[in-house]
Amino acid sequence: QKEVEQDPGPLSVPEGAIVSLNCTYSNSAFQYFMWYRQYSRKGPELLMYTYSSGNKEDGRFTAQVDKSSKYISLFIRDSQPSDSATYLCAMSVTGNQFYFGTGTSLTVIP
Amino acid sequence: DTEVTQTPKHLVMGMTNKKSLKCEQHMGHRAMYWYKQKAKKPPELMFVYSYEKLSINESVPSRFSPECPNSSLLNLHLHALQPEDSALYLCASSQGGLANEQYFGPGTRLTVT
Repeated sequence: QKEVEQDPGPLSVPEGAIVSLNCTYSNSAFQYFMWYRQYSRKGPELLMYTYSSGNKEDGRFTAQVDKSSKYISLFIRDSQPSDSATYLCAMSVTGNQFYFGTGTSLTVIP
Repeated sequence: DTEVTQTPKHLVMGMTNKKSLKCEQHMGHRAMYWYKQKAKKPPELMFVYSYEKLSINESVPSRFSPECPNSSLLNLHLHALQPEDSALYLCASSQGGLANEQYFGPGTRLTVT
């Protein structure tokens, strides 16, 4: 079983939709969680960083962590064509070594 | 400023060549990372330097040799690579210690011929 599971998609939504991206994990010791956005042939861009459980909001993005269910989510409100990218979740026990999901490919259709 | 820079952007090298990838950050971060990413795959951790000391080596072949000359710079020396080593090589940095966001550079796209 992989440490981190992420549905690869592809996911296609109309502009303005709410997008929900999810990862599950098996290691209950994970306590640092991140979401990255990666455009084609570019480096990953950090979107959200969360420690332990709870919610975090930044503009149109909301990250949720449910440690009891070993499940994290990223919500994108009012999705835009510029949000079209691959979204990677990453998590860590120590904050030193991160384990990545396989990425979800998102397309927002104008 | 959360910028990590990498040079070169693109590199084509033969299997007998020796080349180096460079990474630089000026955020005062004390941990730096090398990742390898193949198309449509997540980044795979290769090396971690913490406070300029190699702390993690993920069983990477010896044809990849990392170097951390100081806290701002990270190099990856390449020698006798194989075509399957062609990938996007990403550098990242974080504050170091516990609980820190990791920022990536734009990557070097390496092609081994």
